[in-house]
Amino acid sequence: GIQVEQSPPDLILQEGANSTLRCNFSDSVNNLQWFHQNPWGQLINLFYIPSGTKQNGRLSATTVATERYSLLYISSSQTTDSGVYFCAVLNFGNEKLTFGTGTRLTIIP
Amino acid sequence: SQTIHQWPATLVQPVGSPLSLECTVEGTSNPNLYWYRQAAGRGLQLLFYSVGIGQISSEVPQNLSASRPQDRQFILSSKKLLLSDSGFYLCAWSGGGGVAKSFGDGTRLSIL
Repeated sequence: GIQVEQSPPDLILQEGANSTLRCNFSDSVNNLQWFHQNPWGQLINLFYIPSGTKQNGRLSATTVATERYSLLYISSSQTTDSGVYFCAVLNFGNEKLTFGTGTRLTIIP
Repeated sequence: SQTIHQWPATLVQPVGSPLSLECTVEGTSNPNLYWYRQAAGRGLQLLFYSVGIGQISSEVPQNLSASRPQDRQFILSSKKLLLSDSGFYLCAWSGGGGVAKSFGDGTRLSIL
C-alpha cells in the first residue's frame, strides 16, 4: 500500500516562530488532507488539498502532486498550535485515507 | 449542519470482557463511516469502513468487528477484549471520495 512519511517527527518552537511541516507519499493520490490533533485527542480538519496552495489565517498548505509531497506552513505560532499534525492521503479508486506518521509540534510561551 | 457523536469518551475494561462503542452522524444521509485506532504516540490505523447499511470492509485481521444497523450508526464491538486492544478509537464520516469531513472526539480504551 501507499506509504506516507512526515518530517520532522518532533518540533519545539518559541511562540511567534514560523514552521514548515512536510508530508511525502509514495504513490499518486487524488486526495490529501492535513489534520491537527490537539492535546485532548480531537482531530480537526485543516485543509483538503490534493494539489495547489490554500491559506486559512496563519496556516497555509501546498501540495505538489507530481513530486509527491505536501507542505504545511504555520506562521506566528501560538501555544494553541501545539499538538500533532497529520497528513492523510487517498489512492485513486479507493475510499480509505492512509495517515502519515505525524509531526508533534510544541510551542513554548 | 452535520455533527458526529461518539461515546463513551473513556472506558476501562478487564481482559476478556465484551466491547461496544457507538458512533452516530446527524445532518447527512448515506455517509461513509470509518473506525480508526490510534496507539499511544502513533498515527491512525484504519480498522473498518462502511459505504452503506450492512456493508462493512475490514482492513486488518483483529479481535474486533463492526456493524452498521442504521444509515447513520456505526458500532465497533468485541466479544472478548485483549490487552492489545487498548488505544484511542476514532470514528469519522465522509460524503464519498474519501474526503474525511470530521472525526468524533474519540474513545480512550484501557484494558486491564
